[in-house]
Amino acid sequence: DIQMTQSPASLSASVGDRVTLTCRASQDISNYLAWFQQKPGKAPRSLISAASSLQGGVPSRFSGSGSGTDFTLTISSLQPEDFATYYCQQYDTYPHTFGQGTKLEIK
Amino acid sequence: EVQLVESGGGLVRPGGSLRLSCAASGFTFSSYWMNWFRQAPGKGLEWVANIQHDGRAKYYVGSVEGRFTISRDNAKNSLFLEMNSLRAEDTAMYYCARAFSTDYWGRGTLVTVSS
Repeated sequence: DIQMTQSPASLSASVGDRVTLTCRASQDISNYLAWFQQKPGKAPRSLISAASSLQGGVPSRFSGSGSGTDFTLTISSLQPEDFATYYCQQYDTYPHTFGQGTKLEIK
Repeated sequence: EVQLVESGGGLVRPGGSLRLSCAASGFTFSSYWMNWFRQAPGKGLEWVANIQHDGRAKYYVGSVEGRFTISRDNAKNSLFLEMNSLRAEDTAMYYCARAFSTDYWGRGTLVTVSS
């Protein structure tokens, strides 16, 4: 199975900060990578597919980049509603696998 | 508006069976791959299975292969997950989600496997 490794595991930041989350695949997955946001007690929300394509309704402060094995999710200016856990997932090879998540907390 | 509503969760004993359903609306269901995901209490997300738009192709995570069956009824805009030989480690919130790359999620249905 492809291993997805996210870093950092947790991150403290302030409203207005620019933050970058990293996701690394154990083998080449081209651009078959998605990012999801999840708040406590809620269903996940899809943010990005194909490594860099923003899902409908997602604010433009979110952006994704990367291909192959290394990917990033950047939030250009953190808003209060952005504090959540973020997961990456590869859908290049079965089974589709997730990273362990990055918990973004308020400093 | 895309809507996905899961149902069928509950408490079941180890070795038991359960059938989850997902009612889809707001889009052309028959045109999309569909997925089941799960999340054990306090844990991360796990992809469970997906099914091609016409039902011909189905894929599973290894831990459920041979025990779970994904299916769909395009005439009724519905997705299903038949779960047999349930184990304690299958305890989780189960979500259905649209599209191969996953764009919309339901709110989930809770499955608890316990004696």
